[in-house]
Amino acid sequence: TAGITQAPTSQILAAGRSMTLRCTQDMRHNAMYWYRQDLGLGLRLIHYSNTAGTTGKGEVPDGYSVSRANTDDFPLTLASAVPSQTSVYFCASSDSAGGPETQYFGPGTRLLVL
Amino acid sequence: GQNIDQPTEMTATEGAIVQINCTYQTSGFNGLFWYQQHAGEAPTFLSYNVLDGLEEKGRFSSFLSRSKGYSYLLLKELQMKDSASYLCAVRDNDYKLSFGAGTTVTVRA
Repeated sequence: TAGITQAPTSQILAAGRSMTLRCTQDMRHNAMYWYRQDLGLGLRLIHYSNTAGTTGKGEVPDGYSVSRANTDDFPLTLASAVPSQTSVYFCASSDSAGGPETQYFGPGTRLLVL
Repeated sequence: GQNIDQPTEMTATEGAIVQINCTYQTSGFNGLFWYQQHAGEAPTFLSYNVLDGLEEKGRFSSFLSRSKGYSYLLLKELQMKDSASYLCAVRDNDYKLSFGAGTTVTVRA
């Protein structure tokens, strides 16, 4: 069972370059999320999508964009990377936004922006 | 917004019990989650509370008091594999999760 996959596993990126982090889930979950995790700050929501075709901004959306063309895929794009975007990025999904449905997390992408 | 506080670190002995407290101040409340995260890995779901009281799941239990903005995760019969970070997360009325910074638990032999 694949669950949620993320690519790449890790990346070193030059400041100013663009990059798309990929996230795919095979559980047919409606809701998907992107978080960044930084030491001492915990997980912070970047963008989310409650269903295909819709997206919303989380706590730290600046510098990031997302799209949700279908149920399975939820790519995160950094248009012009900056060193403060160095972080571990987790994609997550849940069957629905509410109720006891938990979020399932992908393995993460470790990004270093130099 | 949400303000979620939990201790940074805790240490306990194998076989013992540890209680991780979480306090929160929220603009809306629609459930509280606990996740476990081993170093270098993704968070995994442990428990969910939406009503006051205790939820028990094997060696792990979670308690919620909505009026006090307080939850705890109780880990019993600690094992070495329980060494991990434990994340408290509150879901708001827009169904978004806000996470605390996490509590790193170290289990010693």
